Amino acid sequence: TQLLEQSPQFLSIQEGENLTVYCNSSSVFSSLQWYRQEPGEGPVLLVTVVTGGEVKKLKRLTFQFGDARKDSSLHITAAQPGDTGLYLCVKIQGAQKLVFGQGTRLTINP
Amino acid sequence: GAVVSQHPSRVICKSGTSVKIECRSLDFQATTMFWYRQFPKKSLMLMATSNEGSKATYEQGVEKDKFLINHASLTLSTLTVTSAHPEDSSFYICSAFPGTTGYNEQFFGPGTRLTVL
Repeated sequence: TQLLEQSPQFLSIQEGENLTVYCNSSSVFSSLQWYRQEPGEGPVLLVTVVTGGEVKKLKRLTFQFGDARKDSSLHITAAQPGDTGLYLCVKIQGAQKLVFGQGTRLTINP
Repeated sequence: GAVVSQHPSRVICKSGTSVKIECRSLDFQATTMFWYRQFPKKSLMLMATSNEGSKATYEQGVEKDKFLINHASLTLSTLTVTSAHPEDSSFYICSAFPGTTGYNEQFFGPGTRLTVL
């Protein structure tokens, strides 16, 4: 059973466009992380959010944690081909265990 | 940031043989490491938690006799796929938890692609 639902699962857009990826859960997150994974590599942590309503920015990426801490979004402005990859939202369960969402496979076409 | 390595990066083996994958934390000690499996175009699925000096904790549905985990030191965990079969072909990724940073940050290895013929 998937604890985390991501949408869309696949997204292909042109360079320069904006996009938003969503992560939803039926239960409350104590904290949530977003990772990006490129083909043939391990995931790399982008951000951790812990406070409801929190907004964090990482260059052209904006991460938002829902007020109720049950959902999160990732918005990319003016997407570039280098943004191509698998974006994963992750729930921290217990002390260290990570539970991964389904992933959003993003392709930015030049 | 902390670095985790995996070896080998790719391995091809015959059905029925065993394959060992190493996961090393290069610049920190890790009392806990994690092993994940990833199918093509899918997300990561946790297989087991590797604890230094004690037995690994396996997730439901993961055969502990097939996927042997040994965490022999604070910088090395190994995953051995025993009597491998084609359905074991997958991308195996490990992660390590330094335990010194906030928010439970884990660092992932680059993965090992296993192909069983």
